[in-house]
Amino acid sequence: EVQLVESGGGLVKPGGSLRLSCAASGFTFSSYSMNWVRQAPGKGLEWVSSISSSSSYIYYADSVKGRFTISRDNAKNSLYLQMNSLRAEDTAVYYCARKGWELPLGFDYWGQGTLVTVSS
Amino acid sequence: QSALTQPASVSGSPGQSITISCTGTSSDVGGYNYVSWYQQHPGKAPKLMIYEVSNRPSGVPDRFSGSKSGNTASLTISGLQAEDEADYYCSSYTSSSTYVFGTGTKVTVL
Repeated sequence: EVQLVESGGGLVKPGGSLRLSCAASGFTFSSYSMNWVRQAPGKGLEWVSSISSSSSYIYYADSVKGRFTISRDNAKNSLYLQMNSLRAEDTAVYYCARKGWELPLGFDYWGQGTLVTVSS
Repeated sequence: QSALTQPASVSGSPGQSITISCTGTSSDVGGYNYVSWYQQHPGKAPKLMIYEVSNRPSGVPDRFSGSKSGNTASLTISGLQAEDEADYYCSSYTSSSTYVFGTGTKVTVL
């Protein structure tokens, strides 16, 4: 069974940093591109970042470029999101999601999410 | 990248059919057959319902169908059921190798 479990969320002050993790199991993690998607309270989904299976290709939404860094450790079946210079508008539930196919056809599995709150 | 445009809400009675539209540009929806749809119940993670415009993952009822014409994609739910009441989001791959989601549609079963 495919499982994605996020962790690392919490309360952080504006300007602070946080590192999210996503532990994957039930599939060959090293064969799939992975993504982070966030959802502010009461708002819609926003794609944040993607990383290819071998970390060769990395992309970011303009809203986080230069502040967030996506990475992965295929030996540990883990995905990460380093978030720096956090702002109030980064407050959201952060989901990790698997890109289910080699082509960008959709995100077939999602974690349960971890809440990040940026507030003084 | 601006969010794709969806109606804020759509409603229907049990057994009826409803359609949710998702309008983008030639740089996303219109440029690729890489549109997907997600269902999200309150407090839950999104669930993939349609991928590659019109394909259903295993386990998704065939009441759900997708299509695309030009810069607009659509999700149709036929034979609406109470459990279909949820938020629905479209998503598209973009010419910048990124993804964009729709604004979201709340489906209400009357």
